Amino acid sequence: NAGVTQTPKFQVLKTGQSMTLQCAQDMNHNSMYWYRQDPGMGLRLIYYSASEGTTDKGEVPNGYNVSRLNKREFSLRLESAAPSQTSVYFCASSEREAIYYNEQFFGPGTRLTVL
Amino acid sequence: GNSVTQMEGPVTLSEEAFLTINCTYTATGYPSLFWYVQYPGEGLQLLLKATKADDKGSNKGFEATYRKETTSFHLEKGSVQVSDSAVYFCALRIPTGGFKTIFGAGTRLFVKA
Repeated sequence: NAGVTQTPKFQVLKTGQSMTLQCAQDMNHNSMYWYRQDPGMGLRLIYYSASEGTTDKGEVPNGYNVSRLNKREFSLRLESAAPSQTSVYFCASSEREAIYYNEQFFGPGTRLTVL
Repeated sequence: GNSVTQMEGPVTLSEEAFLTINCTYTATGYPSLFWYVQYPGEGLQLLLKATKADDKGSNKGFEATYRKETTSFHLEKGSVQVSDSAVYFCALRIPTGGFKTIFGAGTRLFVKA
């Protein structure tokens, strides 16, 4: 099992460019999440998908869009990148959103720099 | 609102020293509490968890006890190793408001040989 995989690992964009971060999990989990990690701020939730076919905004959704392509895949899109979106992005999954004592499983992250 | 507060780092210890990383929380209802660890260049992984008051989570020599009266979940290890060098995140999930996970800011631990 690969767990949660993310591509790319690193990316440099210019202001205004667009890109999509890909995430896939092979654990048959229902729920998937996108976080950003900034120094001193822990992880902040961007969007999540409680189950296939549903998506909801998290704490910091502005400037991002998501697509739950199927049960395995959950992508994050930056339509017009800004320097404030320079961060490390993590995808995560969990068995089921409603089981609040279940942990989340994280991918290795994508380090994004916007110039 | 719901929040998690961790002690600021970095924490620097010598090998075999005792480790405590403090974590306190504010939450409505009865949260589940977690410690995640992030090794350099990797994503977070679960270290331990506790789902109700007085539960003790333990793994790899680390322990934390869910203290409802003090709203705390401090992480401890009796004898740290160089391989424990990482960033440690305290987190909570609440059974209301969408079951979101709320993370602390993280505490970086350096262990010297």
